[in-house]
Amino acid sequence: DTGVSQDPRHKITKRGQNVTFRCDPISEHNRLYWYRQTLGQGPEFLTYFQNEAQLEKSRLLSDRFSAERPKGSFSTLEIQRTEQGDSAMYLCASSPRTSLTSYEQYFGPGTRLTVT
Amino acid sequence: AQSVTQLGSHVSVSEGALVLLRCNYSSSVPPYLFWYVQYPNQGLQLLLKYTSAATLVKGINGFEAEFKKSETSFHLTKPSAHMSDAAEYFCAVSAGNNRLAFGKGNQVVVIP
Repeated sequence: DTGVSQDPRHKITKRGQNVTFRCDPISEHNRLYWYRQTLGQGPEFLTYFQNEAQLEKSRLLSDRFSAERPKGSFSTLEIQRTEQGDSAMYLCASSPRTSLTSYEQYFGPGTRLTVT
Repeated sequence: AQSVTQLGSHVSVSEGALVLLRCNYSSSVPPYLFWYVQYPNQGLQLLLKYTSAATLVKGINGFEAEFKKSETSFHLTKPSAHMSDAAEYFCAVSAGNNRLAFGKGNQVVVIP
């Protein structure tokens, strides 16, 4: 078990460009989450997958954001036409299927996005 | 909707002294509560969790937290601070709806 991995760890992009981040959850974790963390704040929920189904989206997830988990394994988060306000750490987490621990989330190292 | 309040963004503690980080939650249903630690440029690591079993929960690195329903609190403590405890600490609540709601965090500074 190698933990949740995210790629890239850092991304610098110019305003208006599109970016895509990848998250690989802990194997056999059926739930996958995306959060955004800005400086001095706690993480804020963006979206949640159970297997390949996207079951919940936050109001923070504008129409420029799209997330997928096509085969119920890895997930991608794409931001189109990036804005400076998108600069943040994007965190991915996964959780196992058992009822007692299904709300315990394991986080990856994050992808830090800087929009210039 | 559930929420968490953590007061005092920066907490300074002397090495060897008690670490106390306060967390108060709001939830319309019985909550699950968590404390996470974040080191610079890293993701969040789970310290401990409350899932309606024992109200005093022990976690990693000598930390523990007590769930008090009457006070809607879940404060984190460690009897003796170590230099390696310098990090940011987040309290989080889940009300069974698959998302965690985090507080703003406490940046802990350990003074030698």
